[in-house]
Amino acid sequence: KQEVTQIPAALSVPEGENLVLNCSFTDSAIYNLQWFRQDPGKGLTSLLLIQSSQREQTSGRLNASLDKSSGRSTLYIAASQPGDSATYLCAVILTPLRAAGNKLTFGGGTRVLVKP
Amino acid sequence: EAQVTQNPRYLITVTGKKLTVTCSQNMNHEYMSWYRQDPGLGLRQIYYSMNVEVTDKGDVPEGYKVSRKEKRNFPLILESPSPNQTSLYFCASSPGKITYEQYFGPGTRLTVT
Repeated sequence: KQEVTQIPAALSVPEGENLVLNCSFTDSAIYNLQWFRQDPGKGLTSLLLIQSSQREQTSGRLNASLDKSSGRSTLYIAASQPGDSATYLCAVILTPLRAAGNKLTFGGGTRVLVKP
Repeated sequence: EAQVTQNPRYLITVTGKKLTVTCSQNMNHEYMSWYRQDPGLGLRQIYYSMNVEVTDKGDVPEGYKVSRKEKRNFPLILESPSPNQTSLYFCASSPGKITYEQYFGPGTRLTVT
């Protein structure tokens, strides 16, 4: 059974510092990994998607890396701003043959606070 | 604008009173699914649909029903809601091919008293 873990559960940094968020998964037979942002009581916004054949994806200040063999992904947010305060979730999909319905298995999330 | 919509966004109801949460997507996606989010338990899949008239159970289907009569719509039905179904519900859709990227609706906060 796929398990996804995000450590730490909460993180507080001063504005301008780079953020490093970790995600680990137990079953390396993933098809892709998605990073989401969730503001309190709100929906999930997709930030980046990395396919299993890729090592990293970048979008603006965000960079996500994937090491499938070790079961890890890292989300880097450069030069953090107070507006980056939110919960960040990673989720994986197993290869289509092994996971019907495109089920995402989510980590518990990392709650980030960027202090001005 | 490509999006997944859910209605209602907030709902307070009483035990046993049937309710339906609607979900609609305008991206012609084949895959749709429902998740619930609970503190300490994270997001868990309730039901999913791989195409019209094709639905199946996810990890926590008890107490829920779904239907997929049209490609764009995937309503979640609670025939007899109970307090343990108080949760934040999300509908998601995916093209079901190439990247399998998932797109989520804004969520429906349900309280059952």
